[in-house]
Amino acid sequence: KAGVTQTPRYLIKTRGQQVTLSCSPISGHRSVSWYQQTPGQGLQFLFEYFSETQRNKGNFPGRFSGRQFSNSRSEMNVSTLELGDSALYLCASSSQTSGGDTQYFGPGTRLTVL
Amino acid sequence: AQSVAQPEDQVNVAEGNPLTVKCTYSVSGNPYLFWYVQYPNRGLQFLLKYITGDNLVKGSYGFEAEFNKSQTSFHLKKPSALVSDSALYFCAVRESGPDKLIFGTGTRLQVFP
Repeated sequence: KAGVTQTPRYLIKTRGQQVTLSCSPISGHRSVSWYQQTPGQGLQFLFEYFSETQRNKGNFPGRFSGRQFSNSRSEMNVSTLELGDSALYLCASSSQTSGGDTQYFGPGTRLTVL
Repeated sequence: AQSVAQPEDQVNVAEGNPLTVKCTYSVSGNPYLFWYVQYPNRGLQFLLKYITGDNLVKGSYGFEAEFNKSQTSFHLKKPSALVSDSALYFCAVRESGPDKLIFGTGTRLQVFP
């Protein structure tokens, strides 16, 4: 079974621009979560989608948004980029059939904001 | 609120020696606990998890973890370390309800030949 895929793998943007990142979950997985990883803040939860609905959201400003499509693929968007948005953005999927389901992570998208 | 703590930023061990990476947790109910490993410029790879049952959980690449409810710990262990085990290790707890993991700050494991 193919793993979680994320595109693009690397992005360079300038302040004020916006960016869209894409995530394709493992086949059959309906839950997709997004995390931001930075050296200073570590791994932080952004949001989670299940069946096209956002079920949970982390403590991030409204510039960070996401959506999920009917095929479970997900996108996240960051508008009005700031230097501090430079990070590795990780997507994870799970089947969500029980509370102990494992989240499987993609390779991440490395975003650099200049 | 649920949380995990990894008290050591870095652990150094010689190849062939046993290794332990520490994790303690704080949850209001029954914990779902996970260990992930991250190699440079890669995503997180799942190693093992504790849901219920046996306190000793076996995972990938020879790793295991011991769940200790009284000490609220979930330490990662391996009997004989390899240089290729050198990486960043994260402990995580799953928050009840929606699928959200709370991560520790990570522990860098360095295995010396």
